[in-house]
Amino acid sequence: QKEVEQDPGPLSVPEGAIVSLNCTYSNSAFQYFMWYRQYSRKGPELLMYTYSSGNKEDGRFTAQVDKSSKYISLFIRDSQPSDSATYLCAMSASGGSNYKLTFGKGTLLTVNP
Amino acid sequence: EAGVAQSPRYKIIEKRQSVAFWCNPISGHATLYWYQQILGQGPKLLIQFQNNGVVDDSQLPKDRFSAERLKGVDSTLKIQPAKLEDSAVYLCASSLRGGEGDGTEAFFGQGTRLTVV
Repeated sequence: QKEVEQDPGPLSVPEGAIVSLNCTYSNSAFQYFMWYRQYSRKGPELLMYTYSSGNKEDGRFTAQVDKSSKYISLFIRDSQPSDSATYLCAMSASGGSNYKLTFGKGTLLTVNP
Repeated sequence: EAGVAQSPRYKIIEKRQSVAFWCNPISGHATLYWYQQILGQGPKLLIQFQNNGVVDDSQLPKDRFSAERLKGVDSTLKIQPAKLEDSAVYLCASSLRGGEGDGTEAFFGQGTRLTVV
């Protein structure tokens, strides 16, 4: 079993749709949860950052973490063509000087105008 | 603020050749990471530096990969000899410091796309 599993596979939605992206994980030591967005031929950029369980909202984006189920989600409301990218979940267990991100494989999202 | 700079952007080499990638992190960032991203997968950490010391290199194939960070600033990643399975994007990232609530955001460069033929 991989430490981080990311679902679903490639997604294609119409503009304005609500998008749900999910990851599950097996390492109960993970405490820091992130979502990165990666445009084609670019490096990942941090979209959302959550520590421990709970919800966090930033504009059209909402991140949810359920540590009891080892499950995290990213919701995108009113999706736009500019949201078309690969979305990567990432997690870290450590504090102190060791900050090692473990990534999911990514979900390619296409928002059609 | 200037971002993480990487060069070259693209590289094509034959198997068994050697190659080197260069990274200049954001000024003042103590932590530097090299990730390997194979097509269709998420990035995998190869090595993490804190200033010029190695924090984690557990997933670095040390028989062929080496990395250094001189004077705690720029870093180079070398592959010698390259194999076909090394074809990937090599991403460099930096963060202000590692492991605390603030300053843990890792900023990524655009990557070097390596093709081994």
